[in-house]
Amino acid sequence: AQTVTQSQPEMSVQEAETVTLSCTYDTSESDYYLFWYKQPPSRQMILVIRQEAYKQQNATENRFSVNFQKAAKSFSLKISDSQLGDAAMYFCAYRSGVRSGGGADGLTFGKGTHLIIQP
Amino acid sequence: DTGVSQNPRHKITKRGQNVTFRCDPISEHNRLYWYRQTLGQGPEFLTYFQNEAQLEKSRLLSDRFSAERPKGSFSTLEIQRTEQGDSAMYLCASSLQGSVTEAFFGQGTRLTVV
Repeated sequence: AQTVTQSQPEMSVQEAETVTLSCTYDTSESDYYLFWYKQPPSRQMILVIRQEAYKQQNATENRFSVNFQKAAKSFSLKISDSQLGDAAMYFCAYRSGVRSGGGADGLTFGKGTHLIIQP
Repeated sequence: DTGVSQNPRHKITKRGQNVTFRCDPISEHNRLYWYRQTLGQGPEFLTYFQNEAQLEKSRLLSDRFSAERPKGSFSTLEIQRTEQGDSAMYLCASSLQGSVTEAFFGQGTRLTVV
């Protein structure tokens, strides 16, 4: 079974600065997907960024980027120019790929990191 | 269609009672997932439907839990003989079939068993 570990229960950053959230995972599969989801206080999970394991290039979405280290099984999220609206719980998640017999499986989530933005 | 809709948003019930939650996915999405999230934890996968077929169930889904998606559209999650340990947020998500699919989540149903 796959596991996802987020070792930072809480992180704090000054507005406009950069913060990195850590995530490690454990799997024996070669085909999988990794995600970062944001859960604001309203509780609706929103996809922030997605990374396919077969892609070497790190995914980027505006101010959000990842550092995907496949050999180290590490998938960190960098938020640049932090804004007050970035304050939320951030969850790292894993999903098996089609070639690993998945493709439709549910997501495996980490415990989350609470991100605080200091004005 | 503005997204995944879940009802009710909050439910308080007495221990031993049965409860049912409803999830309306995004209309063209054929995959539907149920998750449970307890305080301070990430969501945990419960079960998954493709159209009306329930294809996977987690070991977390005890015999007191049952889920249906009778016409491949909305889904219901029923918990029988509720226990205090069932108190949690129940999240529904839907997605389109494909090799890389983004799951869209609803706002969840917060269950409190007293």
